[in-house]
Amino acid sequence: DAGVTQSPTHLIKTRGQQVTLRCSPKSGHDTVSWYQQALGQGPQFIFQYYEEEERQRGNFPDRFSGHQFPNYSSELNVNALLLGDSALYLCASSYGPGTSLHNEQFFGPGTRLTVL
Amino acid sequence: KNQVEQSPQSLIILEGKNCTLQCNYTVSPFSNLRWYKQDTGRGPVSLTIMTFSENTKSNGRYTATLDADTKQSSLHITASQLSDSASYICVVSATAGKSTFGDGTTLTVKP
Repeated sequence: DAGVTQSPTHLIKTRGQQVTLRCSPKSGHDTVSWYQQALGQGPQFIFQYYEEEERQRGNFPDRFSGHQFPNYSSELNVNALLLGDSALYLCASSYGPGTSLHNEQFFGPGTRLTVL
Repeated sequence: KNQVEQSPQSLIILEGKNCTLQCNYTVSPFSNLRWYKQDTGRGPVSLTIMTFSENTKSNGRYTATLDADTKQSSLHITASQLSDSASYICVVSATAGKSTFGDGTTLTVKP
């Protein structure tokens, strides 16, 4: 079992560009959540995908969008990058969209995005 | 507003010593509380998870406690090792399906 995988591991972009990050969930999981983690802070919830639809969304602008594919993998897209978008982007997968004991999230290693 | 406050922000201890990290929350209605360990530049890894009815849960040298009345949790690390150096994040989930993350405590274990 490969666990949650993310690609790429590191990425450098310039302001105004667009970026796509990818996530493959743990085997048997059908729900993917995305988080942004700035240095020295806890992860901030961006959104969650289940059954190929965005189910919940945190306090992030529309520049942040996503997609979930039939195989449960997911993409996070960020348009018009700002310097403040520099962060570690974490993907977490779970079985089902809830937060009970049965919906434990497993995190990937993250993608480190640097915006210059 | 649901909030999770962790203290201290950072902590330095000598190898072999014990330490306790604190987590206070205002999340309601409460579903469960998780402690995660996050190594630098990596994703968080779950250490313990507790529901309303549990007041203690152990995972090796890690022991978490929960006081649902005062809305406080602690993570106790026994006989610390250099590999315990990491950020420890408290996550509290509400029954409505939303989780609130703390900013973490950065632990440094020195030889």
